[in-house]
Amino acid sequence: GAGVSQSPSNKVTEKGKDVELRCDPISGHTALYWYRQRLGQGLEFLIYFQGNSAPDKSGLPSDRFSAERTGESVSTLTIQRTQQEDSAVYLCASSLRAGQANTEAFFGQGTRLTVV
Amino acid sequence: QKEVEQNSGPLSVPEGAIASLNCTYSDRGSQSFFWYRQYSGKSPELIMSIYSNGDKEDGRFTAQLNKASQYVSLLIRDSQPSDSATYLCAARRGSNYQLIWGAGTKLIIKP
Repeated sequence: GAGVSQSPSNKVTEKGKDVELRCDPISGHTALYWYRQRLGQGLEFLIYFQGNSAPDKSGLPSDRFSAERTGESVSTLTIQRTQQEDSAVYLCASSLRAGQANTEAFFGQGTRLTVV
Repeated sequence: QKEVEQNSGPLSVPEGAIASLNCTYSDRGSQSFFWYRQYSGKSPELIMSIYSNGDKEDGRFTAQLNKASQYVSLLIRDSQPSDSATYLCAARRGSNYQLIWGAGTKLIIKP
């Protein structure tokens, strides 16, 4: 596609339910990042993919969070047993490659998750 | 110590003036720098990237990099109310994938 696409745009879920967030990167982009942004806060790194592998999962807040990527394309971020503190905007970004310093990253529109 | 620092603002600038946004970084190995604009409720949008010392101009925007002093700045000429947003600075070390983000500076352009 022309840009990074995320779905859904908004998600309201009940505490304790599982949610799945989807990211479709720019075609040909091998690097993919997930970030979380709480209201009025900065970007919080969650996980990075190079191709289908995730060399860095260090930002995942707990074992309730997981992510996968298939076919060097779509990635899904899954949050199990959601808690109210999971409420935030989840942003996905992709870049052409990660092993080059001047590679630029482009963001999707984000998924606003509200846990009630 | 934060690796990329920005003044949180808000920075208030009159319409038509030059807005100057600054960012400092602590990792001397950082080689690439990026400025993003984020409107309230929207996702970050890439404005410019800079890799070499000196100035890089794109329309009303000029990015400046000084590696010796470890700072990067963004100048916005002829500021417009539509430039009101939070501006995020990010740095990357060499070929490392990781982008290190500043917390952002909120810019307000007053008509």
